Amino acid sequence: ILNVEQSPQSLHVQEGDSTNFTCSFPSSNFYALHWYRWETAKSPEALFVMTLNGDEKKKGRISATLNTKEGYSYLYIKGSQPEDSATYLCAFINYGGSQGNLIFGKGTKLSVKP
Amino acid sequence: GAGVSQSPSNKVTEKGKDVELRCDPISGHTALYWYRQSLGQGLEFLIYFQGNSAPDKSGLPSDRFSAERTGGSVSTLTIQRTQQEDSAVYLCASSLGPRLAFFGQGTRLTVV
Repeated sequence: ILNVEQSPQSLHVQEGDSTNFTCSFPSSNFYALHWYRWETAKSPEALFVMTLNGDEKKKGRISATLNTKEGYSYLYIKGSQPEDSATYLCAFINYGGSQGNLIFGKGTKLSVKP
Repeated sequence: GAGVSQSPSNKVTEKGKDVELRCDPISGHTALYWYRQSLGQGLEFLIYFQGNSAPDKSGLPSDRFSAERTGGSVSTLTIQRTQQEDSAVYLCASSLGPRLAFFGQGTRLTVV
């Protein structure tokens, strides 16, 4: 069974704080790692896809890094704003037993207080 | 189409009835995924299609659940003899291989 772990489960920060959270995944047969942002009462929205060890992606104040050898990715949010409040999901694809399926972690729920 | 389309957006059904949920993926997307979100829970995987075949259907909770995909496009998730615990938002997503997945707006299923 492929397991994708995200930590912390939830996070409360003040507006203006910078924060980061972790996604851990199996390092064997790695193909791609995705990050999604999921606001309450909406559908998950794609943020990044990363495929190469050492990849770094950035979108505004949000950035992500990837280490495929040790099996982790970090998502960073600089200067958090209340509108960043959401659950951040990572998803892993390998081409082993799951044959290309997108395996999601349980997410990190971020709450940003004004 | 421009995005992933799911229908109906809301469905209320009586316990014991069968329901069909439809997903129209983005045109050309080879991969299609079904998930559900029960109240207060995260994203629960149901089934994954690559083309018309389902390499991973390990998430289907019971044999009352089935799904098919035809023509490499539209997918239908069928729940037979619905139970109250089937109440959830059912989300469909599609992607071009391993690229980012795009989600539909979901079908909110309520079993009364």
